[in-house]
Amino acid sequence: AQSVTQPDIHITVSEGASLELRCNYSYGATPYLFWYVQSPGQGLQLLLKYFSGDTLVQGIKGFEAEFKRSQSSFNLRKPSVHWSDAAEYFCAVGIKAAGNKLTFGGGTRVLVKP
Amino acid sequence: EPEVTQTPSHQVTQMGQEVILRCVPISNHLYFYWYRQILGQKVEFLVSFYNNEISEKSEIFDDQFSVERPDGSNFTLKIRSTKLEDSAMYFCASSSRVMTFGPGTRLTVL
Repeated sequence: AQSVTQPDIHITVSEGASLELRCNYSYGATPYLFWYVQSPGQGLQLLLKYFSGDTLVQGIKGFEAEFKRSQSSFNLRKPSVHWSDAAEYFCAVGIKAAGNKLTFGGGTRVLVKP
Repeated sequence: EPEVTQTPSHQVTQMGQEVILRCVPISNHLYFYWYRQILGQKVEFLVSFYNNEISEKSEIFDDQFSVERPDGSNFTLKIRSTKLEDSAMYFCASSSRVMTFGPGTRLTVL
């Protein structure tokens, strides 16, 4: 069965600084990879996804992520963080192109300092 | 942009009572799901539904749980006899290729 690890439970970053959130997955083949963001009391919003092709994917809100097969990683980055980026971020893995059950990581809570 | 809607946003119930959580998936999606998130924990898969039947379920989804698509638009999760540990945020989702989540229903079991 697939699994997802997000090693950082909390990250604090200053506004304007860069952000990188780590995600490692375990699965025997190339999975379908996702990042979701959850603001307090809100649902899950898709930031970006990787299905195939270019390993650097662009998402909404200025986020990007890079799939590295050799490291089984799909890290999320943003060059300059805004206060509104304070939220919890979840990496998720699916094993099919459609009809996916997603397996989520434990999440990383991002705090943004002024 | 199409969205998944869920009602109610918050449900409070007594232990042992039945609850029904409702969802309206995106209209042209074929796959429907329920996930839950216990406070402070990760999002967990409960069940997926396709072509009017359960396609996969987790070990959490025991006999207390059931899902139904009673008409062409609604997708419901029923918990027959709620327990304290059922208190969680329940997310409905639907997908074609990409999964879209609803805003969630916070279930509080007293």
